[in-house]
Amino acid sequence: AQSVAQPEDQVNVAEGNPLTVKCTYSVSGNPYLFWYVQYPNRGLQFLLKYITGDNLVKGSYGFEAEFNKSQTSFHLKKPSALVSDSALYFCAVSPRKSGFQKLVFGTGTRLLVSP
Amino acid sequence: DTGVSQDPRHKITKRGQNVTFRCDPISEHNRLYWYRQTLGQGPEFLTYFQNEAQLEKSRLLSDRFSAERPKGSFSTLEIQRTEQGDSAMYLCASIPRVSGGAWNTQYFGPGTRLTVL
Repeated sequence: AQSVAQPEDQVNVAEGNPLTVKCTYSVSGNPYLFWYVQYPNRGLQFLLKYITGDNLVKGSYGFEAEFNKSQTSFHLKKPSALVSDSALYFCAVSPRKSGFQKLVFGTGTRLLVSP
Repeated sequence: DTGVSQDPRHKITKRGQNVTFRCDPISEHNRLYWYRQTLGQGPEFLTYFQNEAQLEKSRLLSDRFSAERPKGSFSTLEIQRTEQGDSAMYLCASIPRVSGGAWNTQYFGPGTRLTVL
């Protein structure tokens, strides 16, 4: 069975500083990996995904993530945080299986960027 | 707005009542997913449609839950005899037709927040 762990319930960072939100996964075979962001009372917005190729994936709003197969990690990063980045971030994994593409989500990490 | 839409956005009901939610996917997206998100948790998969066919159901989907997508466009999720444990955000997502094993991004709607009193 596949699973995702987000070890930090909350990450605090000052505006302008780099941020990292951690994610590790467990899945048989090679995974598809995703990051989504959720603002209050809104659905999930897609940030980026790793399917294949370059281990460093660039996404929306200046976010990027690095796929590390040996450490089974897919940490989300941004060089310079903005107050508007404050939100709930979810890492998700899907096994490489043809047909239906269920996402398995972590429990989420709340990012708080202070001015 | 050409995104995924869900209706209603909020629903408050009393225990034992039936409720129905609607999801309108992005136009021409043939795959549709329902997820449930409880407080402090990530979304959990409930069920999946390809066109009008319901192809996968989670064990979370008890007999009180039923989902349909009669014409392969919008979908409905009905909960009968609601329980307090059904209180959650119900999310819908859609993706376009997948070709050649390619993986497409799931686009989520704003969700329906259900509160069962």
